Amino acid sequence: QVQLQESGPGLVKPSQTLSLTCTVSGGSISSGGYYWSWIRQHPGKGLEWIGYIYNSGSTYYNPSLKSRVTISLDTSKNQFSLKLTSVTAADTAVYYCAREEMRMVRGATAFDIWGQGTMVTVSS
Amino acid sequence: DIQMTQSPSSLSASVGDRVTITCQASQDISNYLNWYQQKPGKAPKLLIYDASNLETGVPSRFSGSGSGTDFSFTISSLQPEDIATYYCQQYDNLPPERGFGPGTKVDIK
Repeated sequence: QVQLQESGPGLVKPSQTLSLTCTVSGGSISSGGYYWSWIRQHPGKGLEWIGYIYNSGSTYYNPSLKSRVTISLDTSKNQFSLKLTSVTAADTAVYYCAREEMRMVRGATAFDIWGQGTMVTVSS
Repeated sequence: DIQMTQSPSSLSASVGDRVTITCQASQDISNYLNWYQQKPGKAPKLLIYDASNLETGVPSRFSGSGSGTDFSFTISSLQPEDIATYYCQQYDNLPPERGFGPGTKVDIK
């Protein structure tokens, strides 16, 4: 059974870089058929998709965050990572990593497995 | 980019009631819509994919329908464990963007 676990600092200073890692267990991150995504949720608010990476290394980011986001893959460690630069208080949120599975139904995908989430606070 | 709206933003219903939430996309997204349930302090859980397909292991009281720009999600008989916030989520391939609706909070009356 595939599980995802986020890790990283819970407190980041303004203007610095937020770095999080998602460790995948129970399955290989190199397997085809999945996008590996980051999603965040501001306190008391809805969900915001940040971006994804495919096993080929190809990425796609939310246009609203694109200039500050990098998602990378480490297949040797079965991990993928998020870097968000120049953070402000507006980046305070719970950050989730999630697996997006390509379904057999034509073109369908869905976030079927999620990490538990990690709270990141941006504050001096 | 595609904007998603959901209504209502919150609702209160009695155990056993039929509950329906709607989700509207700003442009045609075919069937590219999923529904998630999120309980406080927990990660979202996939309930419905591709607008109307029930995820494995999800109770059959949950259902989804719609295509194009208008979608609905129904709980046929509300149970106490269904108290949660429900989100619709759209996905596209050109460009490959994803986005969530603002959510609908469901409470027991």
